[in-house]
Amino acid sequence: DQQVKQNSPSLSVQEGRISILNCDYTNSMFDYFLWYKKYPAEGPTFLISISSIKDKNEDGRFTVFLNKSAKHLSLHIVPSQPGDSAVYFCAASANNNDMRFGAGTRLTVKP
Amino acid sequence: EAGVAQSPRYKIIEKRQSVAFWCNPISGHATLYWYQQILGQGPKLLIQFQNNGVVDDSQLPKDRFSAERLKGVDSTLKIQPAKLEDSAVYLCASSLVYEQYFGPGTRLTVT
Repeated sequence: DQQVKQNSPSLSVQEGRISILNCDYTNSMFDYFLWYKKYPAEGPTFLISISSIKDKNEDGRFTVFLNKSAKHLSLHIVPSQPGDSAVYFCAASANNNDMRFGAGTRLTVKP
Repeated sequence: EAGVAQSPRYKIIEKRQSVAFWCNPISGHATLYWYQQILGQGPKLLIQFQNNGVVDDSQLPKDRFSAERLKGVDSTLKIQPAKLEDSAVYLCASSLVYEQYFGPGTRLTVT
């Protein structure tokens, strides 16, 4: 059962523009959401997270938005840089257990 | 701070053979996770340890997969016997609280 869905397998953006990666979830018990970034031949690296009690968390060029009523979260990268090109995974957990991941979105930032 | 270590990085075996993977988490991280990532999908949690106790192994195929973390530090994941569909990257992660830190993974190919 896919409790976390990333419906866009790929996204291409011009350098300097905004990248918006989307994620939907079905389990209303999820209380913590994370974004991970993955380069080829490496494990995922933690990028940014948000608790269900918040609707926005910002860290430099990265901002995560959470819409609990729509069960939707998004990651905004502004401005996008070529080094941001990677696969981005959305993840969610309930009570810090059973982390579920989406299938990932491959972001390509063109110079 | 040293990251999560995994070995081997690559393994090729024939179906019905056995294989074992090793993980050394970040020092001080009580929680350790094993994930299976099949090509084109997000990581799927196989088992979660808190110190040396199992917190969640609901998605572990227990007829062929086993894992242990005897002293609450290192962990091994074993597959016996392997099937073709076990071909995947096996990721180990550890955490203090919510954010999980991943190792580079072991790419298993079953022929």
